[in-house]
Amino acid sequence: GEDVEQSLFLSVREGDSSVINCTYTDSSSTYLYWYKQEPGAGLQLLTYIFSNMDMKQDQRLTVLLNKKDKHLSLRIADTQTGDSAIYFCAETLNTGGFKTIFGAGTRLFVKA
Amino acid sequence: EPEVTQTPSHQVTQMGQEVILRCVPISNHLYFYWYRQILGQKVEFLVSFYNNEISEKSEIFDDQFSVERPDGSNFTLKIRSTKLEDSAMYFCASRDGQGVDTQYFGPGTRLTVL
Repeated sequence: GEDVEQSLFLSVREGDSSVINCTYTDSSSTYLYWYKQEPGAGLQLLTYIFSNMDMKQDQRLTVLLNKKDKHLSLRIADTQTGDSAIYFCAETLNTGGFKTIFGAGTRLFVKA
Repeated sequence: EPEVTQTPSHQVTQMGQEVILRCVPISNHLYFYWYRQILGQKVEFLVSFYNNEISEKSEIFDDQFSVERPDGSNFTLKIRSTKLEDSAMYFCASRDGQGVDTQYFGPGTRLTVL
């Protein structure tokens, strides 16, 4: 089946690292993504990783992919109050339409 | 940087009315998508479109929904007879189908059905 699961909430203190985890079930994924959504706003693509990669670093963001366990994580270093948002894990499937399946989102609270 | 655009940003309609949501994908992209997000819920795939036909659709995309690429630039989603439960944010996306093949999402249209 096609499912992406994430924990619903994460609370961290400003300056700490945040780690948001995600598991997915479909092994035919091509790309895996992390999107950020602020209240009432659209989807901001934060970063993506191709399914044959293990890790990608982009400034404060580190993505780790464990393909064997179908586990994806997003680490945000030096978390700021402006990072408070909902973070969606998503995967694009290698199906005819290459659709993207989203997790339910992890709401990140950053305490000052 | 090229981007996907959507109009209108907010549409309010009466139950039973037809609505058309419009999207302008990135110009050299070949694959087009509609997703929706009911308030407080996850983003759900509706339909994908390639080479002037639907390549995949979800169970949500029933006979009330249709998509069209009426010219070389627009991609539309029509809901024939809106229901209260169609109230959601609708996102259009496109991808080029080659190279770094990620999907780019538009800012969304918030549809409110009264």
